[in-house]
Amino acid sequence: EVQLVESGGGVVRPGGSLRLSCTATGFNFEDYGMSWVRQVPGKGLEWVSGILWNGFGTAYADSVKGRFTISRDNAKNSLYLQMNSLRADDTAFYYCARDILGDDSWGQGILVTVSS
Amino acid sequence: DIQMTQSPSAVSASVGDRVSMTCRASHDITNFLVWFQQKPGEVPKRLISASSTFQSGVPSRFSGSGSGTEFTLTISSLQPEDFATYYCLQHHSSPWTFGQGTKVEIK
Repeated sequence: EVQLVESGGGVVRPGGSLRLSCTATGFNFEDYGMSWVRQVPGKGLEWVSGILWNGFGTAYADSVKGRFTISRDNAKNSLYLQMNSLRADDTAFYYCARDILGDDSWGQGILVTVSS
Repeated sequence: DIQMTQSPSAVSASVGDRVSMTCRASHDITNFLVWFQQKPGEVPKRLISASSTFQSGVPSRFSGSGSGTEFTLTISSLQPEDFATYYCLQHHSSPWTFGQGTKVEIK
């Protein structure tokens, strides 16, 4: 069974940092591109960042470029999102997702709250 | 960046109704468009890729069409399990961008 489990969320003050992790099981992780997608509770979806299977291609939404960094460790079947200089409008559920253009699978999401 | 605009933002319909929704791109995205369905309390699920190619297991009452800047998702006969929010996503250019969603509500 394919599973994606996010961790590392929580409450952080504006200007602070958090590192989200996503652990993948049930499939060959290194075969797939991965994405982070976020959703403010009750609002729409926002694609945040994506990374190719080999980690050599990355892309970011304008709203997070220069502040967030996506990475992966295929040996650990893990995806990461380093979030720096966090702002109140970064508050959202963050979903780890496999291959959202194809054989998609999503984690259950983890809440990041940026508040003083 | 390419902006995606969905309309309507919400539609009220009854079981058995035909429902259509539109996604418009600010620039030509050929057919680099995906539709997702998200039910309340659930994660999104991909329905259709390449504007009209179905994900395996998606009921045939769902259909997609369009190219360039205008795309349509149609549900031919609405079922109770179809009440959800539908999002389009363009992957023609980075950054990928979602539309704001169309919520299909029970009339």
